[in-house]
Amino acid sequence: GENVEQHPSTLSVQEGDSAVIKCTYSDSASNYFPWYKQELGKRPQLIIDIRSNVGEKKDQRIAVTLNKTAKHFSLHITETQPEDSAVYFCAASIGGAAGNKLTFGGGTRVLVKP
Amino acid sequence: DTEVTQTPKHLVMGMTNKKSLKCEQHMGHRAMYWYKQKAKKPPELMFVYSYEKLSINESVPSRFSPECPNSSLLNLHLHALQPEDSALYLCASSQAQTGAGELFFGEGSRLTVL
Repeated sequence: GENVEQHPSTLSVQEGDSAVIKCTYSDSASNYFPWYKQELGKRPQLIIDIRSNVGEKKDQRIAVTLNKTAKHFSLHITETQPEDSAVYFCAASIGGAAGNKLTFGGGTRVLVKP
Repeated sequence: DTEVTQTPKHLVMGMTNKKSLKCEQHMGHRAMYWYKQKAKKPPELMFVYSYEKLSINESVPSRFSPECPNSSLLNLHLHALQPEDSALYLCASSQAQTGAGELFFGEGSRLTVL
């Protein structure tokens, strides 16, 4: 089955700096790569996603890049703010299954220091 | 309505009890999921229902019994659980077609097994 590795496990940045989280996946059949943000005691919420036919996607301060050849994808957060502090999970999904069977990475705990 | 509602929010049960977790969505999604999340870990897929039929069972012990009575409801019946089953149980829903996009998560039911 699919295996998703995520690094780093913790990330501390100064407010206004950029944060980068990297993930690798094992199954070349994966074609959907979402990123979820989970605040303490809250539900995971989708912040951005990318499909395998796209190399980069941006939404305001958040961007995701995908390298299918290397089987890795990254989340970039620019101009970080204290409210960006949370745990971020990458995930990968293999097409062909009914619905969306997501395999999550181990998570990155991001702390933005004011 | 883009919400997935889970009840109860908290549940404490003994190892001999029988209890149920409930999940409801009114987004017209025909794929529904149960995930288990331990502290500081990513969500782990347990079950997927597609068009009210069980499509994926990730080798979950039989003390967890899912049920999808209609397209809006998903239950997880619990019986003879172990203390290590204590976790946050997340319900999610999505469109059901192959390679569907975003999973919408509920806030979860936090289960403690004594």
